[in-house]
Order: sequence, then C-alpha cells, then structure tokens
Amino acid sequence: EPEVTQTPSHQVTQMGQEVILRCVPISNHLYFYWYRQILGQKVEFLVSFYNNEISEKSEIFDDQFSVERPDGSNFTLKIRSTKLEDSAMYFCASSPGGELFFGEGSRLTVL
Amino acid sequence: RKEVEQDPGPFNVPEGATVAFNCTYSNSASQSFFWYRQDCRKEPKLLMSVYSSGNEDGRFTAQLNRASQYISLLIRDSKLSDSATYLCVVPTGTYKYIFGTGTRLKVLA
Repeated sequence: EPEVTQTPSHQVTQMGQEVILRCVPISNHLYFYWYRQILGQKVEFLVSFYNNEISEKSEIFDDQFSVERPDGSNFTLKIRSTKLEDSAMYFCASSPGGELFFGEGSRLTVL
Repeated sequence: RKEVEQDPGPFNVPEGATVAFNCTYSNSASQSFFWYRQDCRKEPKLLMSVYSSGNEDGRFTAQLNRASQYISLLIRDSKLSDSATYLCVVPTGTYKYIFGTGTRLKVLA
C-alpha cells in the first residue's frame, strides 16, 4: 500500500539553526500539506501546496518557513532560523482530493 | 464559535460499551468531513469520511447534521484497541483542513 514517508524521524537542533524536513508524498497525489503538533496540543495547519505553488498558509507559516518541491517526488519544509517554540511534531500529508494521508512525522527538538 | 470544536474528554468506557462523540463546525459551506484516529505520538489515520448524511463501517457510524452543523461518531461494542484520540477534520476549502482538538477515549477491561 502506498504511503507518505518522512525524514528524519527525529532531529535535534540548536536555536537559530536551519532545518529541512523532507517528505515523499504518495505518487499520484496532487495536493500536499504540512501540519505541526506541539506536544499535548492539536494538529495545526501550516501550509498547502498544489500545482507547484503555495495554495494557502496559516499565520504560523511566517517568513521563517518555506516549502519546496524540488523534483517530482520530494516535498520539503525549511525553517530558516529555528526558535524554541518550533519544537513539535511535523506531519506531511498528501491527498488526491478529499482524504488526507499522513506520514509518520518528524519530531523536531530545538535546544 | 470555533472553526471545529470537540469535547476533549477523556471518555472512559468499559469494553463492549457504545460511545458517541460530537463535533461542531462553523463553516456552513463545508461539504465533506472526516474522522481520524490518533494514537499517542503517532500520525493521524483516516477512520471515516462523511460526504452526505452519514457513513457506516462495521462498528463505526458517522452522522452529519448540516442544519445544526455537527457530525457525530458512534462506536459500538468498544474494544480495548479502540483507545485513542478521535479527531474531527473539516475542510474549509480545497486547500485547508482544520482539525478539532480531539476526543480521548479509554476503553477499560
């Protein structure tokens, strides 16, 4: 069964460092998303991506964040200068239109 | 009203019990709705989609009430393995899906 894969599963970084989280969506899906979940809190929308451009983004997705689909398979989330409050689980999701299918997540710890 | 609202629980029920969760939403234009299940520190996994009045899959039944803007999830004959957090998800357009805070269920032996 096709699945969304994410790397790394866990990354520890120092405050102010750049981080890139990678995702390989399901191959025939057209819509791609990043969500985050701070420990003990709800799943929060960050950004959606369709037709090689950002479709919608939340207030959380400020200038420190960017997304890219550099080739036909990868979908990346970059955080330019991490803050302590960026510590969270980051989930990538893809969709053919309708249901979202999630990867296992990348846990980011900012020290 | 919040975009998507759920009772956080926890709901503690004995094995075999029937339990129901509600979710209210604010966007009357939403056409589709989803229930996801999330185990501790894991990714959300799709449980059911609701596109019209309701959907049933084995022990799970989802119902939609558009007039009152809520969807419900009914679990019959609860199993220990049903213990999880149940997330209500409402698209607010093609490109944005809003999650509720989730309702925690604990099924007790």
